[in-house]
Amino acid sequence: AQTVTQSQPEMSVQEAETVTLSCTYDTSENNYYLFWYKQPPSRQMILVIRQEAYKQQNATENRFSVNFQKAAKSFSLKISDSQLGDTAMYFCAFRAQGGSEKLVFGKGTKLTVNP
Amino acid sequence: GAGVSQTPSNKVTEKGKYVELRCDPISGHTALYWYRQSLGQGPEFLIYFQGTGAADDSGLPNDRFFAVRPEGSVSTLKIQRTERGDSAVYLCASSLIRQKNTEAFFGQGTRLTVV
Repeated sequence: AQTVTQSQPEMSVQEAETVTLSCTYDTSENNYYLFWYKQPPSRQMILVIRQEAYKQQNATENRFSVNFQKAAKSFSLKISDSQLGDTAMYFCAFRAQGGSEKLVFGKGTKLTVNP
Repeated sequence: GAGVSQTPSNKVTEKGKYVELRCDPISGHTALYWYRQSLGQGPEFLIYFQGTGAADDSGLPNDRFFAVRPEGSVSTLKIQRTERGDSAVYLCASSLIRQKNTEAFFGQGTRLTVV
């Protein structure tokens, strides 16, 4: 079974600064995907960024980038130029390739961006 | 519709009652997932439908929980003899038939409170 661990229950950052959220996972699978989702108070999970395990290059989406270390099973999210609208819960998620392809989530990190 | 729609948005029920939660996926999405998110936790997988059939129901906690998707579109999650421990946000997600790197789109969830 896969597990996802987010060791930072809460983080805060000043507007315009950079913050990194940590995530580690455990799996025996070789082919899988990793995701970061944002959940604002509206409760809707919004995909921030995704990474395919077979790709060595770290994914980037505008101000969001990841540091994917496959051997260490680490998948951190870096948010640059933080904005007030980035305030939300952030969940790291794992999905194995094949089978039901269900998502396995961590417990989340509550990020607050301060003005 | 434009996105995944879940109704009701909030539901309060008495212990021992029966409840139904509805999910309208994005049109054309054949894969549908139900997740349960307890307070302070990440979403946990309940059940996965591919078309009309439940392809993976390994996450259902016990036989009080049941879900259907009779026409391969709308799905209903049914909970019998509700208990206070069933209180949570129930999230639905849909995606196109399994493809490489497909994205799951989430609804805003139903917050169930059992009193």
